[in-house]
Amino acid sequence: GENVEQHPSTLSVQEGDSAVIKCTYSDSASNYFPWYKQELGKGPQLIIDIRSNVGEKKDQRIAVTLNKTAKHFSLHITETQPEDSAVYFCAATRLSGYSTLTFGKGTMLLVSP
Amino acid sequence: NAGVTQTPKFQVLKTGQSMTLQCAQDMNHEYMSWYRQDPGMGLRLIHYSVGAGITDQGEVPNGYNVSRSTTEDFPLRLLSAAPSQTSVYFCASSYRTGAGQPQHFGDGTRLSIL
Repeated sequence: GENVEQHPSTLSVQEGDSAVIKCTYSDSASNYFPWYKQELGKGPQLIIDIRSNVGEKKDQRIAVTLNKTAKHFSLHITETQPEDSAVYFCAATRLSGYSTLTFGKGTMLLVSP
Repeated sequence: NAGVTQTPKFQVLKTGQSMTLQCAQDMNHEYMSWYRQDPGMGLRLIHYSVGAGITDQGEVPNGYNVSRSTTEDFPLRLLSAAPSQTSVYFCASSYRTGAGQPQHFGDGTRLSIL
């Protein structure tokens, strides 16, 4: 089955800095990579996703990059704000049949004012 | 729309007790799933369902039962609670099968087994 490794487990940045979270996956057939944000006391919420037919996707201050050859993908947050503080999860799966998501272990991002 | 509603929000059980965690969604989603979240372990899939009457096991199904009699509801049953089942449980749903569809999560049930 799929295995997703996520690093770092915690990340502290100053407000306005950039933050990068990296994930690697093991199944070369995986072709869908979503990122979820979990605020304290809440369930995870999808913030951005990427499919294997593109190498990069942006949504305002958030971007995701994908390197299929190396089997890794990254989340980039620019101009971080205190409200970006949360736990972020990456995930991977195949876009076929009844495939299920495999999540990384999560990264706690702390943005200090 | 309420989205995905989980009840109860908190529960304390004694070892050996049974209970059912409730999950309901009002979005007419076909796909529903249960995850557990433990410190340093991320989200691990327990069971999932691709439609009423159809369920399957995920990564960590032992000790848990599920059924899906309606599109809206997907309860998770602990038949004989064990301390290792102390965790935060999340229910999620999506329009179609999990792959490629945004998962809508509930706010979780925090369960402690003494």
